[in-house]
Parts: sequence; C-alpha cells; structure tokens
Amino acid sequence: GAGVSQSPSNKVTEKGKDVELRCDPISGHTALYWYRQSLGQGLEFLIYFQGNSAPDKSGLPSDRFSAERTGGSVSTLTIQRTQQEDSAVYLCASSSRQGAGQFFGPGTRLTVL
Amino acid sequence: RKEVEQDPGPFNVPEGATVAFNCTYSNSASQSFFWYRQDCRKEPKLLMSVYSSGNEDGRFTAQLNRASQYISLLIRDSKLSDSATYLCAGRSNDYKLSFGAGTTVTVRA
Repeated sequence: GAGVSQSPSNKVTEKGKDVELRCDPISGHTALYWYRQSLGQGLEFLIYFQGNSAPDKSGLPSDRFSAERTGGSVSTLTIQRTQQEDSAVYLCASSSRQGAGQFFGPGTRLTVL
Repeated sequence: RKEVEQDPGPFNVPEGATVAFNCTYSNSASQSFFWYRQDCRKEPKLLMSVYSSGNEDGRFTAQLNRASQYISLLIRDSKLSDSATYLCAGRSNDYKLSFGAGTTVTVRA
C-alpha cells in the first residue's frame, strides 16, 4: 500500500519568507508526527497529532512554527519568516496507534538562503 | 545529557562478519525501543521493534538490558547492503520517541 508522502521534496526559499510543508500519512494511521533532521544529527521531535486530541506542540522551536492536521489526515507544517537555521530535512511519520512503530515519509529538504 | 546516545562509529567490517553496537538511554521509564536504518539522504526505515528483552529477525538481533539501560543491535553475516546509519529510538511516554544520532556501519567487500 501507499506509504507516507510529503511535498515538496525540496524547497529553496529566501530568508524571511513563509513556507508550507505537506504530509499525507498512511491511510488509517491515527498518529502523525513531524521531525526535523539537520545534517549529521538525530531526529528532533517537533509536533504530534493523535486523532481529535489536542496536539503535542512541545517540540516546536519557536512561535514561527505551526502545524495543523485537517480531518484527521493531511497535515501542514508552516514556518513563518524563515531563518537560515531552519534549513534541515523535515520528516513526517505516522503510526497506526500510540506507541507503535512509526513510518516515515521521504522528507522535505528545506534550504533557506 | 541526551536521552538516547549512540556511538557514531563508523564500524567498518568485511562482508560476512558480525557487527554489534549499543545504544544507551537515560530515561528508566522508557517502555519500548526501535531500531531504524537510514541510508544517505533517505528517510529512516523501521528495522525492528523491541518491547521486552529482545527481538530477532533473520540476521538482525536486538537485545534490551534494562538494568544497564542499553539496547544492542547485532548483525550477522553482514552484507554490502547493510551499509547504512542505524538509529536507535526509545519511547518514553505513550507516543514520543527520542532518537539517537545514529551509528554508521560500512560493510566492505
């Protein structure tokens, strides 16, 4: 079956611009996660959605970052007024239930010039 | 201190050899663990889940030592295709995973 999909695969933007990253989880997966990974680093948790519960936003690095998940499926991560330190690969993952293994999408490689 | 730490390696091994490496975790409440493999410029792929003392899947064996708070991954009969970065993750609450920075393994012909 189809895995997690993300778009765009690559995004180059200028400092100060807003960007929107999209994630389409595996059908039927109720849990959705956003991470970012900088070069040579581990995965940094950003935000978690589970069903209709309030999201866990504890990993968002600043108020320039926000995310939403519409209809319990597709999610959008928005970064406002991008900075160079926002350059990273943004990975989305989904799982069938809390605590289960997470399956990752191919990521969006964001470059802020 | 990071919640999950890994030896970055690299572990360079010949084809057919056995390679093993550990992942230590600081949160004693961690309930389950996962090993992922990540190829260069690709997303992590789930390799193995560990919910009790260990798990085995073909040439891959994971062992959990709760007393010493580490989890190991052993790869037997290494293949060239096993060359990758292996990420360890621990689940500390109902859903959040903490990832290590990864261990690089290179299998040479």
